[in-house]
Amino acid sequence: EDQVTQSPEALRLQEGESSSLNCSYTVSGLRGLFWYRQDPGKGPEFLFTLYSAGEEKEKERLKATLTKKESFLHITAPKPEDSATYLCAVQNILTGGGNKLTFGTGTQLKVEL
Amino acid sequence: KAGVTQTPRYLIKTRGQQVTLSCSPISGHRSVSWYQQTPGQGLQFLFEYFSETQRNKGNFPGRFSGRQFSNSRSEMNVSTLELGDSALYLCASSLGLLGPNTEAFFGQGTRLTVV
Repeated sequence: EDQVTQSPEALRLQEGESSSLNCSYTVSGLRGLFWYRQDPGKGPEFLFTLYSAGEEKEKERLKATLTKKESFLHITAPKPEDSATYLCAVQNILTGGGNKLTFGTGTQLKVEL
Repeated sequence: KAGVTQTPRYLIKTRGQQVTLSCSPISGHRSVSWYQQTPGQGLQFLFEYFSETQRNKGNFPGRFSGRQFSNSRSEMNVSTLELGDSALYLCASSLGLLGPNTEAFFGQGTRLTVV
């Protein structure tokens, strides 16, 4: 069974204080690892997809990296508007060609002035 | 272009009743997936439809069912509602199989409260 564990559960940063969120996964065949951002009362918003170990992707203050066992979401010089819950999910290549995603429970990030 | 639209946004039902939720995917998208989100369990996969066929199903009881129409719009139904079915139900659509140029876009969700 696919498993995704995110840490920490909650993180409080000062504006400009860089940090990393962790996503550890167990999957029989990784097709893709996804990062989403979710604001309260809204649906998840797509950030990145990573497909192979060593791959990195960047978007503004966010950078996602992937190894064979985990992924990191690095946040550089965060701003209050980066406050949200960040979700990690995996797609198994052995799920019959479907789009089933297995999600972690998320990291709730709060960036303060 | 319009995003994924879910209706209704909020719903209150009584135990034992049934409910139908609707999802209109982004125009041109043929894959629709449904997820249940609760504070304790996070997002859990319910099922996925592609071109009117169920392609994948999660570990939920048979009270949860869905379908997809020829215009790719999808509905999910929950019968004999239980208190534990209270959750945010999310729909995600994509062009096809998720890949380098294919992302899944989520709707705002339907907040179901069972009393």
